[in-house]
Amino acid sequence: NAGVTQTPKFQVLKTGQSMTLQCAQDMNHNSMYWYRQDPGMGLRLIYYSASEGTTDKGEVPNGYNVSRLNKREFSLRLESAAPSQTSVYFCASAQKGGRNSNQPQHFGDGTRLSIL
Amino acid sequence: AQSVSQHNHHVILSEAASLELGCNYSYGGTVNLFWYVQYPGQHLQLLLKYFSGDPLVKGIKGFEAEFIKSKFSFNLRKPSVQWSDTAEYFCAVTTDSWGKLQFGAGTQVVVTP
Repeated sequence: NAGVTQTPKFQVLKTGQSMTLQCAQDMNHNSMYWYRQDPGMGLRLIYYSASEGTTDKGEVPNGYNVSRLNKREFSLRLESAAPSQTSVYFCASAQKGGRNSNQPQHFGDGTRLSIL
Repeated sequence: AQSVSQHNHHVILSEAASLELGCNYSYGGTVNLFWYVQYPGQHLQLLLKYFSGDPLVKGIKGFEAEFIKSKFSFNLRKPSVQWSDTAEYFCAVTTDSWGKLQFGAGTQVVVTP
């Protein structure tokens, strides 16, 4: 019962370094999401993928890129890390239904990323 | 722009006390509503959800929430909390078919023995 698996769990980067956060789900879900969690701000959507082969920007996409490698995997890349990207990153997946029948999202354990 | 507001950032209460957390959203159309809980050091877990039907929904661990459409609210309640309910609670809303969640800022709940 792995659910949503994120790697790594912790990472420290220097400003300007690049990094890819990995996410995989084994629930055969269509939709996948990347969020960042900052104190006092809840979770904010960075990018999402409604289905394999498609990706779209969320609320805070600047400084990030994503790849939906296949149905299982959805990676988040920081090309040139900045201190403002210090955060906890969560990946989530959901079995998308039709309008008004979205299924709840299942979250991974998160990646705690610090940019020095 | 759509938004989700949680009224309290921090709540401290004693075991056996009742809990009510407020959540309001700003969107005039059809919404799907969720409450998630995040225990210390863990990922978010779904407490309950509302899509349609009975506006009073029951979730896990004795939690319930009431959707009041006229007030754009979805408040979370638990009649008697336990120490293990210490966690951060997030209200979230989706308004489109892509399932994108809009989260509130969260409420940190501390239950003292």
